[in-house]
Amino acid sequence: QKEVEQNSGPLSVPEGAIASLNCTYSDRGSQSFFWYRQYSGKSPELIMSIYSNGDKEDGRFTAQLNKASQYVSLLIRDSQPSDSATYLCAVENQGGKLIFGQGTELSVKP
Amino acid sequence: DTEVTQTPKHLVMGMTNKKSLKCEQHMGHRAMYWYKQKAKKPPELMFVYSYEKLSINESVPSRFSPECPNSSLLNLHLHALQPEDSALYLCASSQGLGQLNIQYFGAGTRLSVL
Repeated sequence: QKEVEQNSGPLSVPEGAIASLNCTYSDRGSQSFFWYRQYSGKSPELIMSIYSNGDKEDGRFTAQLNKASQYVSLLIRDSQPSDSATYLCAVENQGGKLIFGQGTELSVKP
Repeated sequence: DTEVTQTPKHLVMGMTNKKSLKCEQHMGHRAMYWYKQKAKKPPELMFVYSYEKLSINESVPSRFSPECPNSSLLNLHLHALQPEDSALYLCASSQGLGQLNIQYFGAGTRLSVL
């Protein structure tokens, strides 16, 4: 079992729709969870961090964490073509290392 | 300001060359990282420095040699690389090590080894 698993996609949604990205992790001791966005040829850019169970909202982005189910998700409301990118789920394990999922490629169609 | 600056942006080198990648941050962060990223793959951790001391080496070949001259600077010295080392090399920094620390990435150096 991989430490952090994401659906690789590609995930295609129409402009204005909600995009839902999912991630599961194996280390029950993990406390820190991140979503990074990476445009093609660019470096990862942090868009959300979440540490407690529940929802965290920032503009059009909502991160959801359920530690009991070892599940973290990212919702993007009112998706725009500029949201088209690869979204990396990252989990900090008990050793302090940031473990990345394989990334989900999102395509928002006008 | 969450800026991590990497130079150069692009680098082409032969297998016998010696070159260095540079990373700088002025956020007062005490942990700095080197990652390697191949196309369509997530970043892979190479090295971690904490308070200017090497904390983690992920069994990286000795042709990659990290150096942390001070708390703001991180270098990666390259020597006798192979074509398969061609990748995007990312530097990141965080306030400290361990949980609850956010890592901020630089723009990366795209390395091509001929």
